[in-house]
Amino acid sequence: GAVVSQHPSRVICKSGTSVKIECRSLDFQATTMFWYRQFPKQSLMLMATSNEGSKATYEQGVEKDKFLINHASLTLSTLTVTSAHPEDSSFYICSARWLDETQYFGPGTRLLVL
Amino acid sequence: GENVEQHPSTLSVQEGDSAVIKCTYSDSASNYFPWYKQELGKRPQLIIDIRSNVGEKKDQRIAVTLNKTAKHFSLHITETQPEDSAVYFCAASNRRRGGSNYKLTFGKGTLLTVNP
Repeated sequence: GAVVSQHPSRVICKSGTSVKIECRSLDFQATTMFWYRQFPKQSLMLMATSNEGSKATYEQGVEKDKFLINHASLTLSTLTVTSAHPEDSSFYICSARWLDETQYFGPGTRLLVL
Repeated sequence: GENVEQHPSTLSVQEGDSAVIKCTYSDSASNYFPWYKQELGKRPQLIIDIRSNVGEKKDQRIAVTLNKTAKHFSLHITETQPEDSAVYFCAASNRRRGGSNYKLTFGKGTLLTVNP
């Protein structure tokens, strides 16, 4: 199956700093990548849809200036959490769309903001 | 927008028994329904999916059924094993004709526990 990697797997940062998370499709070209946030024992909440070469589409309630998304190539999308605060602590997961509707997920990044 | 309801939220079965998880969706235009398995701290893994042009799909011990009229779909796991224990998520999406809206709407998940 398709392989999606994510880096870093875990990050701890101080409040006010910015954190960048990378999502890569390793063995296929993904025209669309998705960024999700998952709280403990809860479902996946879509934050934004990232299309290569165009601006990301954010879901209602997600701050564009807070969560910067860049999809520079068909194999790489990045999510930058700017001026992170403790309430941004969460599990962030990306997915990449392969062929039609099928989405394959990265291993996730656990962010802890102190 | 799409709304996906999933039941039950927790399910406990004995090893060897069957497990059934049910989902309903609201958007009649939805046409793709995947199921994901997520172990604690791990990524969601696609285990089976079904498209709206079929009513049932089976892969070894796992099957999914779809009732478009009632707008519900179900996951069936037979001969359950302890390693089936995980959280299972259903999802629905609508690939609009000519568009690129492939986003998934997820159910809240079902914690399945298979007791040895």
